[in-house]
Amino acid sequence: SQKIEQNSEALNIQEGKTATLTCNYTNYSPAYLQWYRQDPGRGPVFLLLIRENEKEKRKERLKVTFDTTLKQSLFHITASQPADSATYLCALAGDKIIFGKGTRLHILP
Amino acid sequence: GAGVSQSPRYKVAKRGQDVALRCDPISGHVSLFWYQQALGQGPEFLTYFQNEAQLDKSGLPSDRFFAERPEGSVSTLKIQRTQQEDSAVYLCASSIRTSVNTGELFFGEGSRLTVL
Repeated sequence: SQKIEQNSEALNIQEGKTATLTCNYTNYSPAYLQWYRQDPGRGPVFLLLIRENEKEKRKERLKVTFDTTLKQSLFHITASQPADSATYLCALAGDKIIFGKGTRLHILP
Repeated sequence: GAGVSQSPRYKVAKRGQDVALRCDPISGHVSLFWYQQALGQGPEFLTYFQNEAQLDKSGLPSDRFFAERPEGSVSTLKIQRTQQEDSAVYLCASSIRTSVNTGELFFGEGSRLTVL
């Protein structure tokens, strides 16, 4: 069955450092991959989309990579700030859009 | 409207009651999705509409769950004879794209259902 794994449930990073989150998947061939941010009690908010033929995408302090051979995406936040603390969700788009469990990121001041 | 609107934001139901959750998508958005999110988990796909047509309902957990979008705009997710395991946040999302697998999703704030 289709499976998405996000590397850890929670990640603590010191302010100013780069946070790297991992998304791995099996038994799926997504047309593209998305990353969302979700704050407590709120709906997910779209951050970035990367297509299967793209290796890397950047937006301000965010960078996403997509390796269809490894079936993995990495999501980086550079110069992290306490305001970046949230849950980050990976989503794969194939015949439907499916989400991982998310990684709770804590940026420590 | 400016964003996806869901109501009610919070619903407490006694086991066995029927509930109806409403989603008002962004005007002009063709695609509409319902997801179920349990505490500490990611959103789980329930169903997908393109305009008024329900093209995928493979994620609905049982025949107690029913969704409709009769005029291709507002959608209602109905849960009959609620059970405790139905307690979750129900998220609605819309997209301007016509294909299920293209484009970003715009989510509402969710309806938190608690079944006692």
